[in-house]
Amino acid sequence: GDSVTQMEGPVTLSEEAFLTINCTYTATGYPSLFWYVQYPGEGLQLLLKATKADDKGSNKGFEATYRKETTSFHLEKGSVQVSDSAVYFCALGELNTGNQFYFGTGTSLTVIP
Amino acid sequence: DARVTQTPRHKVTEMGQEVTMRCQPILGHNTVFWYRQTMMQGLELLAYFRNRAPLDDSGMPKDRFSAEMPDATLATLKIQPSEPRDSAVYFCASALPRPYQETQYFGPGTRLLVL
Repeated sequence: GDSVTQMEGPVTLSEEAFLTINCTYTATGYPSLFWYVQYPGEGLQLLLKATKADDKGSNKGFEATYRKETTSFHLEKGSVQVSDSAVYFCALGELNTGNQFYFGTGTSLTVIP
Repeated sequence: DARVTQTPRHKVTEMGQEVTMRCQPILGHNTVFWYRQTMMQGLELLAYFRNRAPLDDSGMPKDRFSAEMPDATLATLKIQPSEPRDSAVYFCASALPRPYQETQYFGPGTRLLVL
């Protein structure tokens, strides 16, 4: 079945460091891929998405490219800020299976000044 | 600014009591999801509905949990009787009809503590 495997955390970075959070997926069809972010005490928010191979999603300086050849959707940001401290979830949505979603386990990011 | 709303935001109860959590999806969204989040298990899908009909509730303990959508503006999740292991944050999310259904919009969650 479909699944998402996400890089284990926690991740601690200094401000302005480069961020990569790895995500790989397994899917039988043609899924869309997402990154959600959860700030402390809040629900998940959509950060970015890509709906087909080679698409790049971007938002707030974060980027992720849908790589079908490596079944990956790694999240990157060139220069993190303290305000980026949150938990990041990779997710897969499969239209053909009736709107089923699969979330990764989440990666906690702490950015220190 | 349309948002998913959930009530209550916090609930403390004693083991054996009934707990009801409510969710109001974004107007026009026809798919509603219930998730449970714990430190140990992460984010688990409990159930989801489309057009008020349950499509999948395989993630839900059947003996004590029930989920319904009495109308298009209200989804409920009930636990009866509650147990300490049910302590978690419960999230509701909603999504638009096809072809825009892929993005889920999450509510702020109900933080449940069962003593």
